[in-house]
Amino acid sequence: KNEVEQSPQNLTAQEGEFITINCSYSVGISALHWLQQHPGGGIVSLFMLSSGKKKHGRLIATINIQEKHSSLHITASHPRDSAVYICAVIRVGGGADGLTFGKGTHLIIQP
Amino acid sequence: SQTIHQWPATLVQPVGSPLSLECTVEGTSNPNLYWYRQAAGRGLQLLFYSVGIGQISSEVPQNLSASRPQDRQFILSSKKLLLSDSGFYLCAWSAASGRGYEQYFGPGTRLTVT
Repeated sequence: KNEVEQSPQNLTAQEGEFITINCSYSVGISALHWLQQHPGGGIVSLFMLSSGKKKHGRLIATINIQEKHSSLHITASHPRDSAVYICAVIRVGGGADGLTFGKGTHLIIQP
Repeated sequence: SQTIHQWPATLVQPVGSPLSLECTVEGTSNPNLYWYRQAAGRGLQLLFYSVGIGQISSEVPQNLSASRPQDRQFILSSKKLLLSDSGFYLCAWSAASGRGYEQYFGPGTRLTVT
């Protein structure tokens, strides 16, 4: 079983819809990252969370440490949001904060 | 501001040939450095990390090695490539260990072993 599980694997939605991507993990963590990977492969860090909630523009990330669960929400989705969204954790006791990744959620927003 | 460079951007190499991928970081000192790989159809995986010059830790046994000859230079190498080494290789840096520091990724190198 993977230490970091994401759902759904694939998501297609219409422009304007509210999007939720979920991440569950089975190990102790010190922080969780949400990353965005575009078709060319480049990765951008969206959020780093250790508790509570963060918001940046139309993106919101939440984490529940007790339930070992995090969600990434996109409000008023747009075709330019189409990308792979990856959840990654820093394991407690992990080497120098190297990340353990989920397999990603492939999001397509149709106009 | 900080910048991370990787080269080459793409590489096609025959099985059994050597490999050298380079990553450099500008605008910071004593960063933590990481090599990750994304194999086709699989998630990203941590290969190596380094907290200082000459200090390399490996997360998974494999055909690859890493070196950090200078503070802001991280090199991924292989003496003889395998087909299974194909993938997308990403270098990343963070300011230090601890839960307050983000990781910043390079543009990546797409390696195809034929």
